[in-house]
Amino acid sequence: GAVVSQHPSRVICKSGTSVKIECRSLDFQATTMFWYRQFPKQSLMLMATSNEGSKATYEQGVEKDKFLINHASLTLSTLTVTSAHPEDSSFYICSARDGSGGYGYTFGSGTRLTVV
Amino acid sequence: KNEVEQSPQNLTAQEGEFITINCSYSVGISALHWLQQHPGGGIVSLFMLSSGKKKHGRLIATINIQEKHSSLHITASHPRDSAVYICAVRFGETSGSRLTFGEGTQLTVNP
Repeated sequence: GAVVSQHPSRVICKSGTSVKIECRSLDFQATTMFWYRQFPKQSLMLMATSNEGSKATYEQGVEKDKFLINHASLTLSTLTVTSAHPEDSSFYICSARDGSGGYGYTFGSGTRLTVV
Repeated sequence: KNEVEQSPQNLTAQEGEFITINCSYSVGISALHWLQQHPGGGIVSLFMLSSGKKKHGRLIATINIQEKHSSLHITASHPRDSAVYICAVRFGETSGSRLTFGEGTQLTVNP
């Protein structure tokens, strides 16, 4: 079946630095990629939706200059957390939809970000 | 107000028990998904439903479009079924249509 590879799985960074998270679709073309954030014991919160070759659409309250999303190809989308602060510590997970028109969603394995 | 309601929030069962998790939603949908999230965080898509019933191994998912309700059943539950189960619905038809998530049900199956 469809697989989305997400890296890194865990990252610890210092305040003020930037962290890049990658999601790659294997064996299928991800026309649309969704980026989520999840706090402990809470549900997934959609941060932004990106379509290959165009600018991402951010949800209300999500700072587009802080959370940079790039979807340069049909198999790769990246989320960069810029100038990270401890409050950015969270679990980030991506999800892709197959560009062939199927309605299934495939999730990455997630990235646990800790900012110290 | 969350448009997707799940119950129960927490569920503890003994190995072998039959498990039911419920999901209700407020308006018409294109599809409903049941997801499983393990303690490490990874999410697996279990089912996608738009009508009727689907079965995969010990898992069964049903949906009643008229009543806007879905259930996930686990037969002969096992400790390895312990996870958070999430109901998510899609309201639109396009590839950009987002999922709206329920709060999740934390299932613990004791040996």
